[in-house]
Amino acid sequence: EPEVTQTPSHQVTQMGQEVILRCVPISNHLYFYWYRQILGQKVEFLVSFYNNEISEKSEIFDDQFSVERPDGSNFTLKIRSTKLEDSAMYFCASSEETGGDYGYTFGSGTRLTVV
Amino acid sequence: AQSVTQLDSQVPVFEEAPVELRCNYSSSVSVYLFWYVQYPNQGLQLLLKYLSGSTLVKGINGFEAEFNKSQTSFHLRKPSVHISDTAEYFCAVPYSSASKIIFGSGTRLSIRP
Repeated sequence: EPEVTQTPSHQVTQMGQEVILRCVPISNHLYFYWYRQILGQKVEFLVSFYNNEISEKSEIFDDQFSVERPDGSNFTLKIRSTKLEDSAMYFCASSEETGGDYGYTFGSGTRLTVV
Repeated sequence: AQSVTQLDSQVPVFEEAPVELRCNYSSSVSVYLFWYVQYPNQGLQLLLKYLSGSTLVKGINGFEAEFNKSQTSFHLRKPSVHISDTAEYFCAVPYSSASKIIFGSGTRLSIRP
């Protein structure tokens, strides 16, 4: 069964450093998403991406965050200057249709720890 | 705006017992609803979805959910649970823009032998 692949599975970084989280969505999917889950809390929407541009973003997704699809297969989330409160599990997802109506396929996540 | 409420943060049950995980939704538009499961240290997996049609939806791993419009509920059920069902379960609904899904706060299902 097709999968969404995320790397790395765990990343530790120092506060103030830049991190890039990588995702390979399912190949025929057109819509891409990032969510995050702070330990013990809800899964929160960050951003959706379609046709090489952001289609929607949450208030969490401020100027320190950016997304990119640098080639035909990867979808990345960059955090420019990490803060302690950015420590969380970050999930990438993709969908063939608008995911809100049909559900997504999620990756297994990247656990980001900011120290 | 659409939202979901999961009434129980934790549900402990004995192995082979039935279980029901509760979810209530609020929506002013056509309702699509999802249940996702998160096994320990893993990502989110779609268990089942309600888009339209039959109100009883069958999913993977023997789970099913019933869409009840009058009670605005979409409770998840399984007649006999196994240790392997230990996980966190999230009810979810598309937000009004339909480009994102809003998750409930999750219900941790713990199975006792």
